[in-house]
Amino acid sequence: AQKVTQAQTEISVVEKEDVTLDCVYETRDTTYYLFWYKQPPSGELVFLIRRNSFDEQNEISGRYSWNFQKSTSSFNFTITASQVVDSAVYFCALSEAGAAGNKLTFGGGTRVLVKP
Amino acid sequence: GAGVSQTPSNKVTEKGKYVELRCDPISGHTALYWYRQSLGQGPEFLIYFQGTGAADDSGLPNDRFFAVRPEGSVSTLKIQRTERGDSAVYLCASSLYGPIGEQFFGPGTRLTVL
Repeated sequence: AQKVTQAQTEISVVEKEDVTLDCVYETRDTTYYLFWYKQPPSGELVFLIRRNSFDEQNEISGRYSWNFQKSTSSFNFTITASQVVDSAVYFCALSEAGAAGNKLTFGGGTRVLVKP
Repeated sequence: GAGVSQTPSNKVTEKGKYVELRCDPISGHTALYWYRQSLGQGPEFLIYFQGTGAADDSGLPNDRFFAVRPEGSVSTLKIQRTERGDSAVYLCASSLYGPIGEQFFGPGTRLTVL
């Protein structure tokens, strides 16, 4: 069965600090997809990134970067120079490519609070 | 273009009543999903449609929950004999490429069962 664990429930930082969100996943499939979504106070989930299991290259998009390590089953997310607008709940999610791959399995989320 | 829309945005009902929640996916998206999000938790999968058919309904908690998508576009999630434990935000998402692609989420329907 697939499982996603986000051990940090809440992180509070001061603006301009970097913040790293941890995500550890479990799956028996060799082909799978990992996602990060942002849920701001408005409530609507916003897609941030998708990564497939065969692509371990780290990715940077503006102030966001992702570190995928299959050896530790982790897909961590870093926000550099955080801003107040980054305050939200962030979810890591997993989708398997096999027969069970019809859904996203989400972690419990990490609430990020960026103080001015 | 328009995103995923859900109606109503809020629904308050009494225990034992029947409710219907509607989802309008992004035009052209053949894959549609329903999730349920309880307070302080991540969304949990309920059901996945590919076209008109339910390809995976393994997440429906019991037979009080049912969903349809008769024309392959709009979907309705139906809950019979609602219970207080059904209170949650019900999220709908659609995708162009199925489960491996990006899912676009709607704003959700907040259901409160008194």
